[in-house]
Amino acid sequence: AQSVTQPDIHITVSEGASLELRCNYSYGATPYLFWYVQSPGQGLQLLLKYFSGDTLVQGIKGFEAEFKRSQSSFNLRKPSVHWSDAAEYFCAVVATGGTGGFKTIFGAGTRLFVKA
Amino acid sequence: DAGVIQSPRHEVTEMGQEVTLRCKPISGHDYLFWYRQTMMRGLELLIYFNNNVPIDDSGMPEDRFSAKMPNASFSTLKIQPSEPRDSAVYFCASTSYRLNTGELFFGEGSRLTVL
Repeated sequence: AQSVTQPDIHITVSEGASLELRCNYSYGATPYLFWYVQSPGQGLQLLLKYFSGDTLVQGIKGFEAEFKRSQSSFNLRKPSVHWSDAAEYFCAVVATGGTGGFKTIFGAGTRLFVKA
Repeated sequence: DAGVIQSPRHEVTEMGQEVTLRCKPISGHDYLFWYRQTMMRGLELLIYFNNNVPIDDSGMPEDRFSAKMPNASFSTLKIQPSEPRDSAVYFCASTSYRLNTGELFFGEGSRLTVL
């Protein structure tokens, strides 16, 4: 069965420091992978996505992620964190259903705290 | 585009009452998803539709939950009777795998509190 694991429930980084959020997936075929961000009281917003091609993908707000098939990972990075990046981050995989349908499976999320 | 619209934004009800949550997806999207978010269980997929037809409802907790999509622009999630453990934020999301590459567009959610 398809699954997504985010091993870190929460992470605290200092403003200006670099960030890496971990994500591992389990999926038989080439996955469609996503990172979403959720600010308090809001819905989820797409940061970036990977389908094929270049394994390093760029997203909004200065985020990037690297797909590593050998490690089944899709880690999210940012070179310098801003206080406004404090939010919850979700890694997700799109799984194709047996009937041809699609569903997005989310990891448990990682809450990012930014200290001054 | 107005985005995915959910109503109500907040609902407080008493145990045993019927609750109906509503969703209007983005025009042209042919997939609609209902998710539930809680601190304990995170984001759970309850059900999703393709072209108004339910494809996978394996995430619906029990018979008290039901979802319908009578047309391409409207869906409901109903809980009857409601229980305190149903308290959560319910999100609706839509997408089209023909038009884009799988990005989900989320509404702002409906926060349900069952007393």
